[in-house]
Amino acid sequence: KAGVTQTPRYLIKTRGQQVTLSCSPISGHRSVSWYQQTPGQGLQFLFEYFSETQRNKGNFPGRFSGRQFSNSRSEMNVSTLELGDSALYLCASMAGTLGANEQFFGPGTRLTVL
Amino acid sequence: AQKVTQAQTEISVVEKEDVTLDCVYETRDTTYYLFWYKQPPSGELVFLIRRNSFDEQNEISGRYSWNFQKSTSSFNFTITASQVVDSAVYFCALSGPEYTGGFKTIFGAGTRLFVKA
Repeated sequence: KAGVTQTPRYLIKTRGQQVTLSCSPISGHRSVSWYQQTPGQGLQFLFEYFSETQRNKGNFPGRFSGRQFSNSRSEMNVSTLELGDSALYLCASMAGTLGANEQFFGPGTRLTVL
Repeated sequence: AQKVTQAQTEISVVEKEDVTLDCVYETRDTTYYLFWYKQPPSGELVFLIRRNSFDEQNEISGRYSWNFQKSTSSFNFTITASQVVDSAVYFCALSGPEYTGGFKTIFGAGTRLFVKA
């Protein structure tokens, strides 16, 4: 069974640009969550999608948005990039609907904002 | 609000030493789940264990063991006879139904473990 895949793996952008990151969950998993990982703030929850609906959202500005498609693939968009958005963005998929299940993480997309 | 504290930022041991990683959590939920994940240098988090709030039985898996104590809100992780391959960042996480209609997993800050040969 293929794992969680994320594209691209690395990205360099400049301030003010926007970026879209993609995540394909494990087949059959309908829940996809996004996290931002930085040395200073650690792993922070961005949002979670289930069956194309955003179920939960972390404390991030509106510049961060996402969506999920009918095949459970998810995209995350960051508009008007700031230097502080440089981070490793991790996607995780989960079977089932409850937080009881473990998450399976992708390798991440490392975003650098110059 | 939920909170996970991993007070140890970095730990350095010599191969074959035993090491314990501490995790203390806070939650108002009576039903919740605790996890440990490992993040090797490659960056991909790997699930290690899940424990629900009603199961305080300790667990052992090979060189890994976990001690869950609700009385002290702790879920500590011990690696016995550590190996160089255990070098990684280890995250403790908490998930509970605090947020209706969905779940939100809170991660601790992580403990970076260095195992020297």
